[in-house]
Amino acid sequence: GIQVEQSPPDLILQEGANSTLRCNFSDSVNNLQWFHQNPWGQLINLFYIPSGTKQNGRLSATTVATERYSLLYISSSQTTDSGVYFCAVAQRGGYQKVTFGTGTKLQVIP
Amino acid sequence: DVKVTQSSRYLVKRTGEKVFLECVQDMDHENMFWYRQDPGLGLRLIYFSYDVKMKEKGDIPEGYSVSREKKERFSLILESASTNQTSMYLCASSLGLAGQGEQFFGPGTRLTVL
Repeated sequence: GIQVEQSPPDLILQEGANSTLRCNFSDSVNNLQWFHQNPWGQLINLFYIPSGTKQNGRLSATTVATERYSLLYISSSQTTDSGVYFCAVAQRGGYQKVTFGTGTKLQVIP
Repeated sequence: DVKVTQSSRYLVKRTGEKVFLECVQDMDHENMFWYRQDPGLGLRLIYFSYDVKMKEKGDIPEGYSVSREKKERFSLILESASTNQTSMYLCASSLGLAGQGEQFFGPGTRLTVL
């Protein structure tokens, strides 16, 4: 099956700093999503981005499908950005299940 | 907005009990999924369903079964709960071909089996 790797596994930021999270995947995908899991366990949709670039406020994401990676940018980080960030992908074709990366744990300190 | 709800946020059961976890979505999505999340292992797919009465095994179906009698409802059943099924259970739904559409998650159920 497809392999999904996220880096870095852990990240500590000072409030106000910027960061880039990376997701590499081993095969062609039809679907890529970024999620933020808050301290209560809820997975919140950030981006549905199989290719291209999207922006939503302080967050933006870019997927380069031909090179099999996606980047999540967080600018001017806030303490509420803390949590775990997951990317999830589905391979092309048929009823393909979604595979999650192991996540990046972000802590933003005041 | 898509809303996915799960029947309980926290649940404590005893070994050997039959456990039902229920998930309801309100956006007429074809596909529904059950995952479990464990520290160090990430999210793993247990079962998914792409239509009423249809189900497909995920990566770790052993010890679980599912039921989808209505489009909006997908139940996960632990036939005889064991301590190694203590976990966070997350339900999701999506439109379109399974795996291809944007997935939306419920709040999760933290199950403890004693």
